Amino acid sequence: EAQVTQNPRYLITVTGKKLTVTCSQNMNHEYMSWYRQDPGLGLRQIYYSMNVEVTDKGDVPEGYKVSRKEKRNFPLILESPSPNQTSLYFCASSSSYEQYFGPGTRLTVT
Amino acid sequence: TQLLEQSPQFLSIQEGENLTVYCNSSSVFSSLQWYRQEPGEGPVLLVTVVTGGEVKKLKRLTFQFGDARKDSSLHITAAQPGDTGLYLCGNTNAGKSTFGDGTTLTVKP
Repeated sequence: EAQVTQNPRYLITVTGKKLTVTCSQNMNHEYMSWYRQDPGLGLRQIYYSMNVEVTDKGDVPEGYKVSRKEKRNFPLILESPSPNQTSLYFCASSSSYEQYFGPGTRLTVT
Repeated sequence: TQLLEQSPQFLSIQEGENLTVYCNSSSVFSSLQWYRQEPGEGPVLLVTVVTGGEVKKLKRLTFQFGDARKDSSLHITAAQPGDTGLYLCGNTNAGKSTFGDGTTLTVKP
């Protein structure tokens, strides 16, 4: 089954404790992205990747890092999480302009 | 960043009614996508419109791309409770993406 998977689905952590949210796709897509979704602010792109080892900033990249060492994986790294990064995060992949989203990761930073 | 404005932000209607959701921009887009998102889940692609003036139908949903490719609309005929959700329009170009804030639709039985 073609899908995008994210782990964990739920995470509660404390300020400053480094964390990684994993994302994997099995559709051999070139493009992958990370988004955060907040009430009243919509879906905003954090980072995206056009292929292995090629990444670029989206609209809200501050406080986040990404890497694309393999085509199928695109982890999101929060080196020092802060409460304003509490949000619902989505990973997505695409071969052109039609994106396929993961189920989401709800992150709470206290 | 190219902006997409959606209206209305919220819509609550009775089962059987018709509705239209709008997605507008001052920029020209090569394509626009419509997604539907249910609570606690990721957005799911409904359709892509590419050609100015294009109309696509998906059962009771009709999507239209403006002639100038700056706007799009989604019309639902005889809405059902199962249509309840957040409807998003978006554009992706070489990986860079932008989305409207969405229209939250509630269809009451």
